[in-house]
Amino acid sequence: GAVVSQHPSRVICKSGTSVKIECRSLDFQATTMFWYRQFPKQSLMLMATSNEGSKATYEQGVEKDKFLINHASLTLSTLTVTSAHPEDSSFYICSARGRVPALGPAYEQYFGPGTRLTVT
Amino acid sequence: EDQVTQSPEALRLQEGESSSLNCSYTVSGLRGLFWYRQDPGKGPEFLFTLYSAGEEKEKERLKATLTKKESFLHITAPKPEDSATYLCAVPAAGSARQLTFGSGTQLTVLP
Repeated sequence: GAVVSQHPSRVICKSGTSVKIECRSLDFQATTMFWYRQFPKQSLMLMATSNEGSKATYEQGVEKDKFLINHASLTLSTLTVTSAHPEDSSFYICSARGRVPALGPAYEQYFGPGTRLTVT
Repeated sequence: EDQVTQSPEALRLQEGESSSLNCSYTVSGLRGLFWYRQDPGKGPEFLFTLYSAGEEKEKERLKATLTKKESFLHITAPKPEDSATYLCAVPAAGSARQLTFGSGTQLTVLP
């Protein structure tokens, strides 16, 4: 139980192009999904929080026009990095918060495997 | 503002050498404390949630405990496969429960 997938796992794109990353909760419905960014040897930095069917809430300093988040359903959220630049290269991780029936009543936050973005 | 501090930053143990990782926190009201394990190039893997002082949870060689100011992750007789970065986090107030993470402890267990 509690499987969160991300696709793609790695992507290389040219500067100025846009990249879309998908995050899916496979065996539970996620009331909320989160997007994080992680630099080498650093902890996770929350970028934004999204609920199904509503606009994402972005953390201070995160450009909402650059990092477009769509939370289309209770099991799918997408992050689109628009007009990517080399400084956007990073490890992007999504997480989903919900109740996994097989694991009991608690609402926990489960993470995807991450997407390594390299902008050349 | 919630704060989470983990120590040590890095820990090297010999296989079988038990030890503890520390997570101290400052929050306006404790809504749980989470422990995750993260392997290089992967997303964090959920380990435990603790909700109240005195609570303990165990999973294989790991045991997490909680006091009013800190949490410990005890590792008993570790194996090389326990090598990873261990993260603790506290959730914010509100329905979304955004997590504030500590900087992590990088554990290396030598054979």
